[in-house]
Amino acid sequence: GQQLNQSPQSMFIQEGEDVSMNCTSSSIFNTWLWYKQEPGEGPVLLIALYKAGELTSNGRLTAQFGITRKDSFLNISASIPSDVGIYFCAGRTNAGNNRKLIWGLGTSLAVNP
Amino acid sequence: GAVVSQHPSRVICKSGTSVKIECRSLDFQATTMFWYRQFPKQSLMLMATSNEGSKATYEQGVEKDKFLINHASLTLSTLTVTSAHPEDSSFYICSARGWGRPVLDEQYFGPGTRLTVT
Repeated sequence: GQQLNQSPQSMFIQEGEDVSMNCTSSSIFNTWLWYKQEPGEGPVLLIALYKAGELTSNGRLTAQFGITRKDSFLNISASIPSDVGIYFCAGRTNAGNNRKLIWGLGTSLAVNP
Repeated sequence: GAVVSQHPSRVICKSGTSVKIECRSLDFQATTMFWYRQFPKQSLMLMATSNEGSKATYEQGVEKDKFLINHASLTLSTLTVTSAHPEDSSFYICSARGWGRPVLDEQYFGPGTRLTVT
């Protein structure tokens, strides 16, 4: 099925560094979501974006809905060891009743204390 | 709010047997539940979508007779893997979304079930 282009695939950073990851699509989306998944757990919703150009923060996390509606980025400031995990972007067109999500392949983040 | 549970968290079964996985929304009513499958180091693969009281909609390539989904109430959906084989071993995750406030309009995930078929 359709998947989003998410980059980078993995990152290994030092504690305290800022992190940036992004997702792009060939299609327009009406909603962009960012989830974090830790080993052996289900994804946890971090940020939801609903309007083109929207910039939303959740603590040290900031995400933006691209103006073209075909991309989104997630920034993590001052990373800490508990930020470790896989970050997934997901997009939705809102067409139809079931509102399926299209998923990125994930960005694996490792933080060196 | 928006807590989703799954049971069991881990299950080991013998080839040819059936396994049932439960997904419950604990503090909201879930109008739609989704079932995903995830292989190691890969993204989530949607298997099917179920609306309460309706038959599930399966994604292309997912056998409906092998992966039986029931969404009998607004808080419970079950996935039954019938006649399981080793290739069905995977991490199965459910998600649920409710209706009303925007925050419940997104998918909230359960903790997943690790299925191992021997």
